[in-house]
Amino acid sequence: KAGVTQTPRYLIKTRGQQVTLSCSPISGHRSVSWYQQTPGQGLQFLFEYFSETQRNKGNFPGRFSGRQFSNSRSEMNVSTLELGDSALYLCASSLGGTSGGARDTQYFGPGTRLTVL
Amino acid sequence: AQSVTQPDIHITVSEGASLELRCNYSYGATPYLFWYVQSPGQGLQLLLKYFSGDTLVQGIKGFEAEFKRSQSSFNLRKPSVHWSDAAEYFCAVDTGKLIFGQGTTLQVKP
Repeated sequence: KAGVTQTPRYLIKTRGQQVTLSCSPISGHRSVSWYQQTPGQGLQFLFEYFSETQRNKGNFPGRFSGRQFSNSRSEMNVSTLELGDSALYLCASSLGGTSGGARDTQYFGPGTRLTVL
Repeated sequence: AQSVTQPDIHITVSEGASLELRCNYSYGATPYLFWYVQSPGQGLQLLLKYFSGDTLVQGIKGFEAEFKRSQSSFNLRKPSVHWSDAAEYFCAVDTGKLIFGQGTTLQVKP
């Protein structure tokens, strides 16, 4: 079974631009979560989508948004990029369940490395 | 507050030596705990998880972890480290989202 895929793997943008990252979950997984990884802040949860609905959200500004499609693929968008948005963005998928962030296992993709100049 | 602490930022061990990476969590409910490993430039790979039951869990690549509720710990162990184990290791607790520790970088000396 194919793993979680993320595109693109690398991205360079300039301040003020916007960016869209894509994540395709493992087949059969309905939950997709996004995380930001930086050297200073470590791994931080952005949001989770399940059945096309945002089910959980971390403490990030509104410039960070996402969505999920009917095939469970998810996109994350960052508008008005800032230098501090440079990070590795990781997507994780899981089976999901009836409870928010069900206690199932999250499997991670390779990440998208975003550099903001 | 919910949190995960990995006290050791960096650990160096000799190849063939045993390894223990420490993890302490703070969470009021039953913890669901994970260890992930990340090689440079890569995503996170699941090593093992604890949901319930036996407090000693086995994972991939010869790793195991022991859940100790009284100590709020979930330490990762391996009896004999291989050079390919050099990577960054993350402990996480599932609170409805994963909360990660800051990670421990493992260096393996030949």
